[in-house]
Amino acid sequence: GQNIDQPTEMTATEGAIVQINCTYQTSGFNGLFWYQQHAGEAPTFLSYNVLDGLEEKGRFSSFLSRSKGYSYLLLKELQMKDSASYLCAVRDRSYIPTFGRGTSLIVHP
Amino acid sequence: GAGVSQSPRYKVAKRGQDVALRCDPISGHVSLFWYQQALGQGPEFLTYFQNEAQLDKSGLPSDRFFAERPEGSVSTLKIQRTQQEDSAVYLCASSLTSGGSNEQFFGPGTRLTVL
Repeated sequence: GQNIDQPTEMTATEGAIVQINCTYQTSGFNGLFWYQQHAGEAPTFLSYNVLDGLEEKGRFSSFLSRSKGYSYLLLKELQMKDSASYLCAVRDRSYIPTFGRGTSLIVHP
Repeated sequence: GAGVSQSPRYKVAKRGQDVALRCDPISGHVSLFWYQQALGQGPEFLTYFQNEAQLDKSGLPSDRFFAERPEGSVSTLKIQRTQQEDSAVYLCASSLTSGGSNEQFFGPGTRLTVL
């Protein structure tokens, strides 16, 4: 099985930077995904990491350290529309992604 | 649209009733997943298909849950004798294949309420 841990809730100010952490324990690591989910909507893909390091995509970046079982999602220049739940998902050798419970991000003016 | 579609979007069932939830994946996507999502939680894995083969059903909570994908495209999740604890959003996701950087594309979900 897998154990994925991420904070339940975070708050941040519009225009600021926020880092959402995810730690995991798994046998046979085979990739880590971040998804964004607005209330009442389906999750949408943000990023994928399989090698150590930082992947940058516009205002969003994701970092992975396989040896530490650790990832973070970095959101820059926060906008009100970034208020959502952010889901960390780890895939093992079974090719089935397992999701964490999600981090609810609240962006306020 | 070319996305994943699910029907119905909302379903209210009386306890003990059988329900069938449909998923139309993106055309050509080999992998199909079903998840159950409770309020304030992440999606919980139920079952996984590669084409028509159900490769993993370890997440199905009981033998009342059954899923099929007979022609390797549309999938149906059936819940027999529904119970109140079955109330949740049922998400379907498809991906081109199960490996590499292929992300999952999710449908809008079916919100099931069992009274």
